[in-house]
Amino acid sequence: DGGITQSPKYLFRKEGQNVTLSCEQNLNHDAMYWYRQDPGQGLRLIYYSQIVNDFQKGDIAEGYSVSREKKESFPLTVTSAQKNPTAFYLCASSMYVSGYEQYFGPGTRLTVT
Amino acid sequence: GQQVMQIPQYQHVQEGEDFTTYCNSSTTLSNIQWYKQRPGGHPVFLIQLVKSGEVKKQKRLTFQFGEAKKNSSLHITATQTTDVGTYFCAGPFSNYQLIWGAGTKLIIKP
Repeated sequence: DGGITQSPKYLFRKEGQNVTLSCEQNLNHDAMYWYRQDPGQGLRLIYYSQIVNDFQKGDIAEGYSVSREKKESFPLTVTSAQKNPTAFYLCASSMYVSGYEQYFGPGTRLTVT
Repeated sequence: GQQVMQIPQYQHVQEGEDFTTYCNSSTTLSNIQWYKQRPGGHPVFLIQLVKSGEVKKQKRLTFQFGEAKKNSSLHITATQTTDVGTYFCAGPFSNYQLIWGAGTKLIIKP
């Protein structure tokens, strides 16, 4: 089956710890994205990547980092510098960046206490 | 900056009533996309509109793209419990990111 997987579904961490969220796709898509969604809110773009070894900051990149070493994988690290990390994190991919529909993974709910 | 405004934020309907959400962009869009997110789930792509004045139907859902390609609407006829969720519009902008509306939450009254 083609699709996007994110793991884990739920993640709990103590304040001050870095945490890495996994995102893998087997759709052969060039573009990948990370979004943050807070309760009752829309989607805010954290980072996106058009091709391997290249990525761009989105609207709320502060306190986050990414890598894109393989086409299939786009992990997101939530660092201790992120002031309010508790949120629902969604990974998505599209064939290319320019205006193509996006396909989402099931998301990771991160709780930091 | 570039914005996509979506209204209303919530709509409560009785099952069987109609539902409409509206999307307005600050600039002309090359296309507009609609997504549905079920409670606790992730957004799922519904449709993309590209042409000025375009109207597309998916069963009880009707999507329209305005003549100026700056606004769009989604209308659901005779809502069912399976329609519950949040509906988002999104449009690409000059840096090729998708800019998302805040979503309209469809709530079916018991």
